[in-house]
Amino acid sequence: NAGVMQNPRHLVRRRGQEARLRCSPMKGHSHVYWYRQLPEEGLKFMVYLQKENIIDESGMPKERFSAEFPKEGPSILRIQQVVRGDSAAYFCASSPQGTDQETQYFGPGTRLLVL
Amino acid sequence: QKEVEQDPGPLSVPEGAIVSLNCTYSNSAFQYFMWYRQYSRKGPELLMYTYSSGNKEDGRFTAQVDKSSKYISLFIRDSQPSDSATYLCAMKKGGFKTIFGAGTRLFVKA
Repeated sequence: NAGVMQNPRHLVRRRGQEARLRCSPMKGHSHVYWYRQLPEEGLKFMVYLQKENIIDESGMPKERFSAEFPKEGPSILRIQQVVRGDSAAYFCASSPQGTDQETQYFGPGTRLLVL
Repeated sequence: QKEVEQDPGPLSVPEGAIVSLNCTYSNSAFQYFMWYRQYSRKGPELLMYTYSSGNKEDGRFTAQVDKSSKYISLFIRDSQPSDSATYLCAMKKGGFKTIFGAGTRLFVKA
């Protein structure tokens, strides 16, 4: 039973380029969450998606960041015109149904470095 | 003030010691409490999950919740070098939005 998969594991971009981070949830999970982790800081919620729907994006910057979870394929977090401050580890988590008592299972993360 | 406060450490203990990790929180609406373990350059891994005051035990790990004091703890008995990691407390009111502490780095020396 494969866990949450993320790719790429490491991504290097120059300022102004675009970064695309992919997340495939665990089998049977239809809820995906994206978090950002800066060095020495905890995980910060960014966005919560179900298939073809953004449920809550209150933690995501209003500009340059977008997320999607299409009917087919992985969830994608997209960062346009990256800046050095975007350098962080980005984690995806998934859960089966998004109910109160469920916990979230995390992927290994994508480490983004902006030069 | 952060909603969840957690001492970042590092905490260094000898092998076999009892480890106590703690978090405090300010929002009394939190109902669900979790502890995650995160090894260096890996994703967080769920260790314990509770939704009531009191203790929950799983092997060498005990999670303790005191809602009246807004304080949660994770105890690790007979600590091993393989327990060296960052431990993140997390909590939520309900639904999906989970708030994480900054994490405590633990080193268990052989």
